[in-house]
Amino acid sequence: AQSVAQPEDQVNVAEGNPLTVKCTYSVSGNPYLFWYVQYPNRGLQFLLKYITGDNLVKGSYGFEAEFNKSQTSFHLKKPSALVSDSALYFCACALDSNYQLIWGAGTKLIIKP
Amino acid sequence: DVKVTQSSRYLVKRTGEKVFLECVQDMDHENMFWYRQDPGLGLRLIYFSYDVKMKEKGDIPEGYSVSREKKERFSLILESASTNQTSMYLCASSFHGTVRSYTFGSGTRLTVV
Repeated sequence: AQSVAQPEDQVNVAEGNPLTVKCTYSVSGNPYLFWYVQYPNRGLQFLLKYITGDNLVKGSYGFEAEFNKSQTSFHLKKPSALVSDSALYFCACALDSNYQLIWGAGTKLIIKP
Repeated sequence: DVKVTQSSRYLVKRTGEKVFLECVQDMDHENMFWYRQDPGLGLRLIYFSYDVKMKEKGDIPEGYSVSREKKERFSLILESASTNQTSMYLCASSFHGTVRSYTFGSGTRLTVV
């Protein structure tokens, strides 16, 4: 079965430290990978996506993600965390033949001052 | 500013009631989706539509139906609300034919009592 895994339910980071939110995928075919963020009581907002090309993708709010085909991973990163980055983060994958997204369960990111 | 608008942020309904959740987008998107979001389960696809009067079942269609009479509007219907349908409901839309990011509404938190 095709799936997206976010192995951590919650990630705690001190403000100013680098952060990583992990995502791995298991799909057949060429994956298109996405990160979305959800602030409390809001819908999801698009952060970044990988379609093809450079494995390092830059997105909104200073976030970036690295596509690693051999490890089937697409981890979200930021060099210096802000308290305002605290939110729920979702990784998602689409297949090259299908525009539907397969979603991870989400990771709650908490940035402590 | 492009938008997906969900008609209600919060709803409280009684068991057995027929419930309508409305979603309108102003981006001329072909695809529209209804998800429910529950803690620890991520986003689960209820129904989607890629054209007017077209609908496809997602992963958890039981107890739900949808209507898409106009391109910009996608309605989710709970035929007879039950307490296990208490959840956050998210509407999303996207262009068809390419892997584009989704635009989400702010969500409707439905409580069935």
